[in-house]
Amino acid sequence: SAVISQKPSRDICQRGTSLTIQCQVDSQVTMMFWYRQQPGQSLTLIATANQGSEATYESGFVIDKFPISRPNLTFSTLTVSNMSPEDSSIYLCSVELGSDRVSPGELFFGEGSRLTVL
Amino acid sequence: AQKVTQAQTEISVVEKEDVTLDCVYETRDTTYYLFWYKQPPSGELVFLIRRNSFDEQNEISGRYSWNFQKSTSSFNFTITASQVVDSAVYFCALSELIDYKLSFGAGTTVTVRA
Repeated sequence: SAVISQKPSRDICQRGTSLTIQCQVDSQVTMMFWYRQQPGQSLTLIATANQGSEATYESGFVIDKFPISRPNLTFSTLTVSNMSPEDSSIYLCSVELGSDRVSPGELFFGEGSRLTVL
Repeated sequence: AQKVTQAQTEISVVEKEDVTLDCVYETRDTTYYLFWYKQPPSGELVFLIRRNSFDEQNEISGRYSWNFQKSTSSFNFTITASQVVDSAVYFCALSELIDYKLSFGAGTTVTVRA
């Protein structure tokens, strides 16, 4: 398994501001992902954080709104830019372990960062 | 396209009762992977099981058991003799071979009353 630490665990933000969420893993991992969980909803993949290159975004998510950094194999950040109340969600970092390039491994999640935008 | 349906939004049981969570999926792939995750009130997602499409054997782990039926595209999860600590949201998820990205169902909230 992996220990995944996210900061902040929760925050209350003002409309129009930006917030950066950090994700630290206790081991080197190839695959890191960012998910969003809106209140009472399921998880939606925002993007795959690629080490050394631009993140790969899912449909409906763009780099200008959710810039992602991945400077090394143990760390990533997600910024939620120009926030609005609709951005109030839990943002989760996840890593994949055990992939043998033929089948997916297990996906482990951090505890999430709960953002409330006023 | 892939889709995971968890038709049960909420289930409430009394401790020691069994509870079965339904999961139905759609995929055009012949090779795919199915997962169950638990999200307790603390918010962290806990991995429970991964099953590939070629392995239809049912699995039991303690009080948890999973019934995979490819013919009906279902991957149901049963908690036997439920306990209060089982209270959580449970998510079923699907990953296709082509990209390994997980698509999650809407989740089923299980409340176990003492």
